[in-house]
Amino acid sequence: DQQVKQNSPSLSVQEGRISILNCDYTNSMFDYFLWYKKYPAEGPTFLISISSIKDKNEDGRFTVFLNKSAKHLSLHIVPSQPGDSAVYFCAASSSPGGYQKVTFGTGTKLQVIP
Amino acid sequence: SQTIHQWPATLVQPVGSPLSLECTVEGTSNPNLYWYRQAAGRGLQLLFYSVGIGQISSEVPQNLSASRPQDRQFILSSKKLLLSDSGFYLCAWNRGPGNTIYFGEGSWLTVV
Repeated sequence: DQQVKQNSPSLSVQEGRISILNCDYTNSMFDYFLWYKKYPAEGPTFLISISSIKDKNEDGRFTVFLNKSAKHLSLHIVPSQPGDSAVYFCAASSSPGGYQKVTFGTGTKLQVIP
Repeated sequence: SQTIHQWPATLVQPVGSPLSLECTVEGTSNPNLYWYRQAAGRGLQLLFYSVGIGQISSEVPQNLSASRPQDRQFILSSKKLLLSDSGFYLCAWNRGPGNTIYFGEGSWLTVV
């Protein structure tokens, strides 16, 4: 049962344009959402997060939007740069007591073309 | 500042051999600790988590075990590796519910 889904395994975008990465979730208990960026053979790097009480969070070129009614979140990267090429993981978490259970999607490979 | 390290970075082990991956966190106390695995073409799967010394919870049945002998040390082990244990293993930490999880550099395990 995949509770966090990234239906696009890959995405190609021209440098300078907007990259939009999408993520859907099924568990209404999730209350915190995160995006990670991962290069091959490295650990994921935290990018940006959003609490379920918000619908938008912005950090520089990165903006995350949350639509709770649709159980959907997206990551916008504007403008896209070649260094943004990586695999992006969406993650959602709940706190069932004492620890934070984070569920990851399968990732979207972003390629930014110079 | 807090840092997390795990080692070894890569290892190739024969089927049936033991495994020990080690992870340490610096700059914080009483962190929540996690072991994740990324299998080829799949997302990140939570294997174990720990909220304190000696407290280990397993998310999925498997051939692996975890231990937390010290506050900031988390060890992933196996007595006999299987081919299906191959993958990229990630240690992670955070301060607790509602806090961002931070990952180590990862360890590539190839079982041959």
